[in-house]
Amino acid sequence: GAGVSQSPSNKVTEKGKDVELRCDPISGHTALYWYRQSLGQGLEFLIYFQGNSAPDKSGLPSDRFSAERTGGSVSTLTIQRTQQEDSAVYLCASSSTSGGGLDEQFFGPGTRLTVL
Amino acid sequence: GDSVTQMEGPVTLSEEAFLTINCTYTATGYPSLFWYVQYPGEGLQLLLKATKADDKGSNKGFEATYRKETTSFHLEKGSVQVSDSAVYFCALRAWTGRRALTFGSGTRLQVQP
Repeated sequence: GAGVSQSPSNKVTEKGKDVELRCDPISGHTALYWYRQSLGQGLEFLIYFQGNSAPDKSGLPSDRFSAERTGGSVSTLTIQRTQQEDSAVYLCASSSTSGGGLDEQFFGPGTRLTVL
Repeated sequence: GDSVTQMEGPVTLSEEAFLTINCTYTATGYPSLFWYVQYPGEGLQLLLKATKADDKGSNKGFEATYRKETTSFHLEKGSVQVSDSAVYFCALRAWTGRRALTFGSGTRLQVQP
């Protein structure tokens, strides 16, 4: 596709429910990132996938958060037992990691999650 | 760990004024440095970048110079327009290891006609 796409664009859920957020990276991009943008915390890294390597999960805030990337393309971020503090915009980005060292990250429009 | 510090906003300027948004960083080695922009209702877009000391990134009239000695990457524009109103994020990517970006808190720029 032309860019990174994310769905849904908006998600409202009740506290305690599970949610799944989807990211479709730019075709051919081997690296995929999830970030979270919230009022209190700014832009935070969550998780990073690169090819078939084990993901870098160092930014996940709790074990309620998990992500997978199937077939090296689409990724799903899952938040279990959502809490109000999970309300934020969840951003996905992808890059080509062509080896030049300056693999630009292209961001999707984000999913705005509201936990009531 | 790595960190990025940006000046607090909002910054309010009149059209054609000179803009500076300060950004300093803490990181080991030689990180790559970026400015991203988020226009109202839109996603993050890369504005400019620099990979080594003394590099100057530029785009759309904006410039920033990678200053290793002061660990800074200040964003400047000589004459802002109303259309430049947005939130600007300074970011770095570590020299080795983690590939994810570390962002500053963002600075909101409001340009008045």
